[in-house]
Amino acid sequence: EDKVVQSPLSLVVHEGDTVTLNCSYEVTNFRSLLWYKQEKKAPTFLFMLTSSGIEKKSGRLSSILDKKELSSILNITATQTGDSAIYLCAVISSGSARQLTFGSGTQLTVLP
Amino acid sequence: KAGVTQTPRYLIKTRGQQVTLSCSPISGHRSVSWYQQTPGQGLQFLFEYFSETQRNKGNFPGRFSGRQFSNSRSEMNVSTLELGDSALYLCASSRLREADEQYFGPGTRLTVT
Repeated sequence: EDKVVQSPLSLVVHEGDTVTLNCSYEVTNFRSLLWYKQEKKAPTFLFMLTSSGIEKKSGRLSSILDKKELSSILNITATQTGDSAIYLCAVISSGSARQLTFGSGTQLTVLP
Repeated sequence: KAGVTQTPRYLIKTRGQQVTLSCSPISGHRSVSWYQQTPGQGLQFLFEYFSETQRNKGNFPGRFSGRQFSNSRSEMNVSTLELGDSALYLCASSRLREADEQYFGPGTRLTVT
């Protein structure tokens, strides 16, 4: 059974800080890893990382996939209060079951 | 481009009743997946539809079912509702069945009393 573990479960920082969120996974036949941001609504897609695309960056957010360590990190630099949300990591394994298996998420709170 | 839409947004039902939720994917997207989100279990996969066929099903009882129409719109049905079915039900669409990027709708908040 595929498994995704995120850490920390929650994090409180001040505006301007840099944060690193962690995601580790155990899946059979890894295919891709996705990061989502969830505020009080639906998850919003951030990045997808695969064996052929292990690093993504968009503005202050960046993510790296470590295929050897079976993990990924999501970095947010110069945090803003608008970054406060739950950050979800999900993986897809290849094969017949192409469903997202989610971690429990990291609750990030950015204080002014 | 309009995003994924779900109706209704909120729903209150009584134990034993049944409910039908609707999802319209992003235009051009043909794959629709459904997820249940609860505080205790997080986000869990229910099923995936592509070309009107259920391709995958998660570990949920048979009371949970769904279908997809020729225009890619999808519905999910829960029969004989239980208190534990109270959750946020999210629909996600992707362009192709093989496309891993999934985009979520706003969800339907179901409360079972």
